[in-house]
Amino acid sequence: DVKVTQSSRYLVKRTGEKVFLECVQDMDHENMFWYRQDPGLGLRLIYFSYDVKMKEKGDIPEGYSVSREKKERFSLILESASTNQTSMYLCASNPAGQETQYFGPGTRLLVL
Amino acid sequence: GENVEQHPSTLSVQEGDSAVIKCTYSDSASNYFPWYKQELGKRPQLIIDIRSNVGEKKDQRIAVTLNKTAKHFSLHITETQPEDSAVYFCAASITGYGQNFVFGPGTRLSVLP
Repeated sequence: DVKVTQSSRYLVKRTGEKVFLECVQDMDHENMFWYRQDPGLGLRLIYFSYDVKMKEKGDIPEGYSVSREKKERFSLILESASTNQTSMYLCASNPAGQETQYFGPGTRLLVL
Repeated sequence: GENVEQHPSTLSVQEGDSAVIKCTYSDSASNYFPWYKQELGKRPQLIIDIRSNVGEKKDQRIAVTLNKTAKHFSLHITETQPEDSAVYFCAASITGYGQNFVFGPGTRLSVLP
């Protein structure tokens, strides 16, 4: 059974803080993704990675960066959190060559 | 880039009735169309998908149809049950291109007892 975990379910941060969201998958998947989910906007891709130390911008990368130092871990970084980054953040992964994405439980981030 | 629209944004049906959710996409190169279901407080999970070489696919009470010419695809749920209540997302992607999907905005389906 595929397991994708995220470091926090809920997070409250102050404007200007540096925020780290971590995602870990235990199925040796090559591909990992970070989305944000907002009402009426669906899931929007922030960044994705096909391999260790590799990253690609998604549709809304501004204000975010990522790190993938190990295959199982994909981190999303908010260098200086802003209130418009208050959202639900979902991580997903899948094996190379397969389409089905497996999602983590999500982190609901509130930036005050 | 790809743009996916989804309608309706909310849908209420009586238990036992059918529900239909429609999506349109803009990029004719898209060839893979999954549907994800997200129950309240839970993670999205794949429920059915269809590839561009197939016009229809069924799995028990759910089915998906694809019209490549019109660039739209639909999710059909028959004999709806309360556990079908959730937010449903459609998506479009080009297989072999990183499997990065473009999702629709979602449809909140409520099945009324």
